[in-house]
Amino acid sequence: AQSVAQPEDQVKVAEGNPLTVKCTYSVSGNPYLFWYVQYPNRGLQFLLKYITGDNLVKGSYGFEAEFNKSQTSFHLKKPSALVSDSALYFCAVGGSARQLTFGSGTQLTVLP
Amino acid sequence: DTGVSQNPRHKITKRGQNVTFRCDPISEHNRLYWYRQTLGQGPEFLTYFQNEAQLEKSRLLSDRFSAERPKGSFSTLEIQRTEQGDSAMYLCASSFLAGAQDTQYFGPGTRLTVL
Repeated sequence: AQSVAQPEDQVKVAEGNPLTVKCTYSVSGNPYLFWYVQYPNRGLQFLLKYITGDNLVKGSYGFEAEFNKSQTSFHLKKPSALVSDSALYFCAVGGSARQLTFGSGTQLTVLP
Repeated sequence: DTGVSQNPRHKITKRGQNVTFRCDPISEHNRLYWYRQTLGQGPEFLTYFQNEAQLEKSRLLSDRFSAERPKGSFSTLEIQRTEQGDSAMYLCASSFLAGAQDTQYFGPGTRLTVL
């Protein structure tokens, strides 16, 4: 079985400050890790994914994520937050199963 | 716009009625997935298709739920005898390749409200 935990329901940061949204995972075999963002009443937009290779993955809109195998984590980061980054962020894992398993989401609020 | 499209965007129905949702994937994508998302939760996988073949349906929530993709293009998700607990956002996604690592691209969803 595969699972994802997002330990923080909410994260608040000031505009211009760095942000981190945390994710830990559990999966058998090689993990395939994804971050998606969801705006109100919208579907999910793909941000980035880790398949193999460099532990630091760069994605859309200046976001990046760091894969840490020993800590089974895949935290989402951005060096300088924007108010427009405020949204709901989901971490997901795909392993031997074809479907994605999502975390419960983290609401990011960037304060002006 | 060549993304995943879903219709209708909103559906309000009375308990006991049947509803059907449609998903049109990105045109060259051969994998199509259905998920359900309830308030405050992440999407929950329901079923998926490789072309017209439904390869996983054990996660459908009950026998009231069924999905088809008859020609390997668009797909429909039907819920029979709807219950208030079926109220949720139903999301469709598609991907090009067949591996677990392939990116799934999501549509805007159909929000179902069962009165």
